[in-house]
Amino acid sequence: GQQVMQIPQYQHVQEGEDFTTYCNSSTTLSNIQWYKQRPGGHPVFLIQLVKSGEVKKQKRLTFQFGEAKKNSSLHITATQTTDVGTYFCAAINSGNTPLVFGKGTRLSVIA
Amino acid sequence: DGGITQSPKYLFRKEGQNVTLSCEQNLNHDAMYWYRQDPGQGLRLIYYSQIVNDFQKGDIAEGYSVSREKKESFPLTVTSAQKNPTAFYLCASSTFYRTSGRETQYFGPGTRLLVL
Repeated sequence: GQQVMQIPQYQHVQEGEDFTTYCNSSTTLSNIQWYKQRPGGHPVFLIQLVKSGEVKKQKRLTFQFGEAKKNSSLHITATQTTDVGTYFCAAINSGNTPLVFGKGTRLSVIA
Repeated sequence: DGGITQSPKYLFRKEGQNVTLSCEQNLNHDAMYWYRQDPGQGLRLIYYSQIVNDFQKGDIAEGYSVSREKKESFPLTVTSAQKNPTAFYLCASSTFYRTSGRETQYFGPGTRLLVL
């Protein structure tokens, strides 16, 4: 079945540093979604990208969808301790299949 | 106050025992899902249901069973056949995913299952 590969698995940064997580697929995706799960919590939807080359921003978070619709990235500028958690990408490639989640990137921010 | 509720928050299972995890939503969503999450791992799909009285196996359905008798409810039973059930179980719902493939999923707070 379809898989979305997410890297890195873990990332430790000093507060104020930038952070990027990447999501890659071998097949073309119809859309990609990003979720955040705080420690001990549940995943919460952040954003959805649909168009080739799309870029969306939410305050310090920048989301990109690749031109070929096979990859996506989430970039956080000047991380804060509130950014701690695991970030998941999720995608549907085509047809009537449910979302497939990546394994996530766990972000730790050192104050 | 709309949302998804899961109960209990923590559940302890004895060897050879079946246990049922509850999931209820009042978002009027057609589709519901069950995921298993192990420490440091991603989300693995157990079962999903698009409409009442219909459900499909996900990637790791062995040792689990579900029912969908009501739109609002999608209980998951962890049977004794599931040899390693200790995990965090998450229920989610969305509008009917075939509509556009763009529906987002809303997650419940989860149930932590521990085997005694």
